Amino acid sequence: EPEVTQTPSHQVTQMGQEVILRCVPISNHLYFYWYRQILGQKVEFLVSFYNNEISEKSEIFDDQFSVERPDGSNFTLKIRSTKLEDSAMYFCASRTGTVTGELFFGEGSRLTVL
Amino acid sequence: AQTVTQSQPEMSVQEAETVTLSCTYDTSENNYYLFWYKQPPSRQMILVIRQEAYKQQNATENRFSVNFQKAAKSFSLKISDSQLGDTAMYFCAFMKPNTGNQFYFGTGTSLTVIP
Repeated sequence: EPEVTQTPSHQVTQMGQEVILRCVPISNHLYFYWYRQILGQKVEFLVSFYNNEISEKSEIFDDQFSVERPDGSNFTLKIRSTKLEDSAMYFCASRTGTVTGELFFGEGSRLTVL
Repeated sequence: AQTVTQSQPEMSVQEAETVTLSCTYDTSENNYYLFWYKQPPSRQMILVIRQEAYKQQNATENRFSVNFQKAAKSFSLKISDSQLGDTAMYFCAFMKPNTGNQFYFGTGTSLTVIP
């Protein structure tokens, strides 16, 4: 069964360092998302991506964040200069083009900023 | 903005018994979709059940069913004949069809099925 894959599963970084989280969405999906979950809190929307551009982003997704789909398969989230409060589980998700299409999630990448 | 509230951080149920997880949401929209996602320990979230707001009939998927009360903005999940594999975090989610079709999640309910 096709699935969304994410790497790395866990990354530890120093504050101020750049981090890239990688995702391979399901191949025939058209919409791609990044969500994050700070420990004990709700899953929060960061950004959605469609047709090679950002379609929507939240207030969390500031200038320190960027997304890219460089080669038609990978979908990356870059945090330019990490802060302590960026420590969270980051989930990639994708879905088909149908309005009611469910989100398929990856297993998440846990980011720890020291 | 849409908000989703799950007021039960943790619940437990005896194996083979029935449990109901609560979810309320706040929206001014009339057309939207509601979901329950399950996240087993160290695994990805998977869809349990989906409900379209324009449908009055409650969705059912095997042992999982919902009680959708549109006027009350309530969307509870009932798990019948609970199994050990049902132990997981359960997230309620709201989606409004628009350009981004983003999902709004609650804080989750951690369910433990006790043998």
